[in-house]
Amino acid sequence: GEDVEQSLFLSVREGDSSVINCTYTDSSSTYLYWYKQEPGAGLQLLTYIFSNMDMKQDQRLTVLLNKKDKHLSLRIADTQTGDSAIYFCAERSGNTGKLIFGQGTTLQVKP
Amino acid sequence: ETGVTQSPTHLIKTRGQQVTLRCSSQSGHNTVSWYQQALGQGPQFIFQYYREEENGRGNFPPRFSGLQFPNYSSELNVNALELDDSALYLCASSLAAADTQYFGPGTRLTVL
Repeated sequence: GEDVEQSLFLSVREGDSSVINCTYTDSSSTYLYWYKQEPGAGLQLLTYIFSNMDMKQDQRLTVLLNKKDKHLSLRIADTQTGDSAIYFCAERSGNTGKLIFGQGTTLQVKP
Repeated sequence: ETGVTQSPTHLIKTRGQQVTLRCSSQSGHNTVSWYQQALGQGPQFIFQYYREEENGRGNFPPRFSGLQFPNYSSELNVNALELDDSALYLCASSLAAADTQYFGPGTRLTVL
């Protein structure tokens, strides 16, 4: 089946690193995505990783993929108050265009 | 900014009415996907249009229908609105059907 799970809430102090975790069930997933959503807004693409990669780094963002355990994580270095938002993990299966999203993790950054 | 626009921003309808939501895709993109995001939930895939044809559909009833035009803009139509249709409706455009999706700001639909 298709299912994506995320923890619902994470609170960190400004300047600390944040790690948001995600698990998925579809072993045929080809791409995995991280999107950010601020209140009342649409989804902003942060980064994505192809399923044959283990890691991808993009400035303050590091994505780790453990395909064996179907586990994806997003690390945000030096977290800022502007990073406060809801973060969604999504998988795309095979060659379809359908994205399966998790429920979202609310990141709270305390000054 | 992704270049994906949606209209209207907000909409209030009553149960049983019909609604049309619009989406303009990013320049050069030929695919539009629609998602429904209920409050506190992740987006749920409604359907995708690729070069004016439906290319995959999620678990939504037939009263959810769509169109894609030759300029690749798209409409989502919902008939016989129900209270549970209240949600943020997001469209996303991509270069092709299986490419990375870029989202618009969404249309907030409230059904009373």
